Amino acid sequence: DQQVKQNSPSLSVQEGRISILNCDYTNSMFDYFLWYKKYPAEGPTFLISISSIKDKNEDGRFTVFLNKSAKHLSLHIVPSQPGDSAVYFCAASGNQFYFGTGTSLTVIP
Amino acid sequence: GAGVSQSPSNKVTEKGKDVELRCDPISGHTALYWYRQSLGQGLEFLIYFQGNSAPDKSGLPSDRFSAERTGGSVSTLTIQRTQQEDSAVYLCASSLEPTQGGNSPLHFGNGTRLTVT
Repeated sequence: DQQVKQNSPSLSVQEGRISILNCDYTNSMFDYFLWYKKYPAEGPTFLISISSIKDKNEDGRFTVFLNKSAKHLSLHIVPSQPGDSAVYFCAASGNQFYFGTGTSLTVIP
Repeated sequence: GAGVSQSPSNKVTEKGKDVELRCDPISGHTALYWYRQSLGQGLEFLIYFQGNSAPDKSGLPSDRFSAERTGGSVSTLTIQRTQQEDSAVYLCASSLEPTQGGNSPLHFGNGTRLTVT
């Protein structure tokens, strides 16, 4: 059973606008959440994380929001750039790391 | 510093042959994970090592799959009698032991693309 879900397989956004990627999880015991970015033929690259004691973490153009009551996290990228085009995976940490199925983001110049 | 290194980067093998995939984690990382990604799918957990022991082997899809880690460093994933459904990208990742630095992210290698013909 998928414990981390990304329900949008793809997303297209105009350059300069905000990209919002969503992720839902089922296990309330998860205490650490991460976002990874993956280009073709490369391994996933760590992007940003958030601990369950926080509800927001910001790093430059990237912000992760955590809503524990809704078991939902999101990644905001603003402004979006063409180089952000990639597959984004969310992950949650319990006794191991659980990954979503990914959202393919295309930023249109 | 050096990241996670995986070899080979690509492997084509005939159905029924055995293959070995290698992972060199980041120096000092005690936790090591194997995942695989089949075409159009997400990341599927295979096995986790803490040091040389594997407390969680729950993701290995069959007894044809095995993995070992020696010296708390290099790990090999072995697939015996390969089948076409084993074709996927096999990804290795390492991280600091969580108790050393709080929560630690996984750092991935670029994977081994396995094609079974």
